[in-house]
Amino acid sequence: GAVVSQHPSWVICKSGTSVKIECRSLDFQATTMFWYRQFPKQSLMLMATSNEGSKATYEQGVEKDKFLINHASLTLSTLTVTSAHPEDSSFYICSARRRGGLAGEWDNEQFFGPGTRLTVL
Amino acid sequence: RKEVEQDPGPFNVPEGATVAFNCTYSNSASQSFFWYRQDCRKEPKLLMSVYSSGNEDGRFTAQLNRASQYISLLIRDSKLSDSATYLCVVKGVGNYGQNFVFGPGTRLSVLP
Repeated sequence: GAVVSQHPSWVICKSGTSVKIECRSLDFQATTMFWYRQFPKQSLMLMATSNEGSKATYEQGVEKDKFLINHASLTLSTLTVTSAHPEDSSFYICSARRRGGLAGEWDNEQFFGPGTRLTVL
Repeated sequence: RKEVEQDPGPFNVPEGATVAFNCTYSNSASQSFFWYRQDCRKEPKLLMSVYSSGNEDGRFTAQLNRASQYISLLIRDSKLSDSATYLCVVKGVGNYGQNFVFGPGTRLSVLP
């Protein structure tokens, strides 16, 4: 199956600092990756769709200047939480879709990274 | 109304029990449906896709009712290892059909 990694798996930082989270597809090329956030006892909420070589598409209510997304290669997307505050503490998860099959069609499944737990003090 | 709704539970059932979860979705144009499983502090993992004709994978059976816009998951002969949160996921029409919308999840605890 397809493997997606995230780094770091957890991070603790002071308020006001910036934190970068990496999402990598290890054995396939991912032209599209997704960034989710999950608060305790809540479901995953899509933050943005990251497209290789172009600007990310942000969901309503997500500040693009605060959550910077860069998808510079077919296997790497990064999410930078700028000037993090305690309310940004959450579980951030990325996922990727893969093209496969004879016709290069999209897999119907999303492959998730293991998540990054961010705690802002 | 939320796009995808589930009973949050928790469902506490004894080992060996049969348990069923329902999920409703609001967008009739939704294309694909899934059940994911999420363990505490872990990423979601695909349990099974849900097909119009219904499908079964071992102890797990998924059903889709497009007319009523609901999806179900039936777990037979529950095991302790089935304890997790079960997420109903609908692939919508937004973002060129790429958006996966997650339900809030239903928490299951299988008790010895």
